[in-house]
Amino acid sequence: EAQVTQNPRYLITVTGKKLTVTCSQNMNHEYMSWYRQDPGLGLRQIYYSMNVEVTDKGDVPEGYKVSRKEKRNFPLILESPSPNQTSLYFCASSSVGPSYPAGQPQHFGDGTRLSIL
Amino acid sequence: TQLLEQSPQFLSIQEGENLTVYCNSSSVFSSLQWYRQEPGEGPVLLVTVVTGGEVKKLKRLTFQFGDARKDSSLHITAAQPGDTGLYLCAGLPSGSWGKLQFGAGTQVVVTP
Repeated sequence: EAQVTQNPRYLITVTGKKLTVTCSQNMNHEYMSWYRQDPGLGLRQIYYSMNVEVTDKGDVPEGYKVSRKEKRNFPLILESPSPNQTSLYFCASSSVGPSYPAGQPQHFGDGTRLSIL
Repeated sequence: TQLLEQSPQFLSIQEGENLTVYCNSSSVFSSLQWYRQEPGEGPVLLVTVVTGGEVKKLKRLTFQFGDARKDSSLHITAAQPGDTGLYLCAGLPSGSWGKLQFGAGTQVVVTP
């Protein structure tokens, strides 16, 4: 089954303790991205990757890191989490970047709810 | 600041009524998409519009892309409880390669 898998689904942790949220897709997609969703703000893009070893900042990259060493995986790293990073996080992928051709459907994972105390 | 402004933020209607959700911007978009999100799940694509003035229909849902490619609307005819969800518009600003923009969403509740 074609899917985007995020782990963990839920995590409660403390300020400053490094954490990684994994994202894996089995559709051989080139484009992957991370979003955070907060009430009243919708989805805001954190980082995106057009292909292996090609990553770029979205609108809210501060406090986050990503890597794209393999096509299928795109982990999100919080080196020193802080309470303002408490949020619902989504990973998404599409076959190619959103402009090739215009409007590629984004396939989303089921989300990771992160609480940082 | 949200590049894509959605209105209304919340809509509660009775089954059988019609509704329209709007997605507006002062910027031009290469394409615009509408997603629906249900609790505990990621958004799921409903439609993509790419041409100014384009109208697409998906059963009881009608999507329109403004002539200037700065706005879009989603109209639901004879809403059903299964239409309940968070509707999100998303767009690729003209000249952007990979930085997708999402609106804040419209929560639609359809009661029987």
